[in-house]
Amino acid sequence: TQLLEQSPQFLSIQEGENLTVYCNSSSVFSSLQWYRQEPGEGPVLLVTVVTGGEVKKLKRLTFQFGDARKDSSLHITAAQPGDTGLYLCAGENSGYALNFGKGTSLLVTP
Amino acid sequence: KAGVTQTPRYLIKTRGQQVTLSCSPISGHRSVSWYQQTPGQGLQFLFEYFSETQRNKGNFPGRFSGRQFSNSRSEMNVSTLELGDSALYLCASSLAPSGATDTQYFGPGTRLTVL
Repeated sequence: TQLLEQSPQFLSIQEGENLTVYCNSSSVFSSLQWYRQEPGEGPVLLVTVVTGGEVKKLKRLTFQFGDARKDSSLHITAAQPGDTGLYLCAGENSGYALNFGKGTSLLVTP
Repeated sequence: KAGVTQTPRYLIKTRGQQVTLSCSPISGHRSVSWYQQTPGQGLQFLFEYFSETQRNKGNFPGRFSGRQFSNSRSEMNVSTLELGDSALYLCASSLAPSGATDTQYFGPGTRLTVL
């Protein structure tokens, strides 16, 4: 059972555009993580959000954790080709393994 | 410091065979988790080991097993391979076990193809 639903599944945009990807669940998580995975590599952690309503920024990437700690969003401003990859969200409940969404595959063309 | 290493990187097997995959965690890390990644199901948790003990297990059949050695290196074994076992198998290591809000570092994965 996939507890986390990510949307959209695929996104193809041009360099300079803005985008938002979503991660939704009916379950409450103690924390939520975002990863980026590039072809031939394992996922790399971008950020962990812990508090409901929390907003974290990482250069052009803005991450938000929903007030109820059931959902999250990732917003990229002025996307660049280097942002291309698979974006994964993962929810954690204390003592249990991470639950991953299926991911959003992002392609940014010059 | 060296990252998580997985061997082999690519593997081709036939149905009915068994396979063993290896994972060497980052030096000092005692927790190792294994995941299966497929296009249809995404990343699914297999099991987690900490200090040679299995802490958590995902919803996979008994054909999937693992172990961890005293040096924290881990192996996973899949017996009686099926076509549906074709996937990227990822290993991740961390200092502390899951639930400790510790960062997991993933290896590049082993791509298993079952013919």
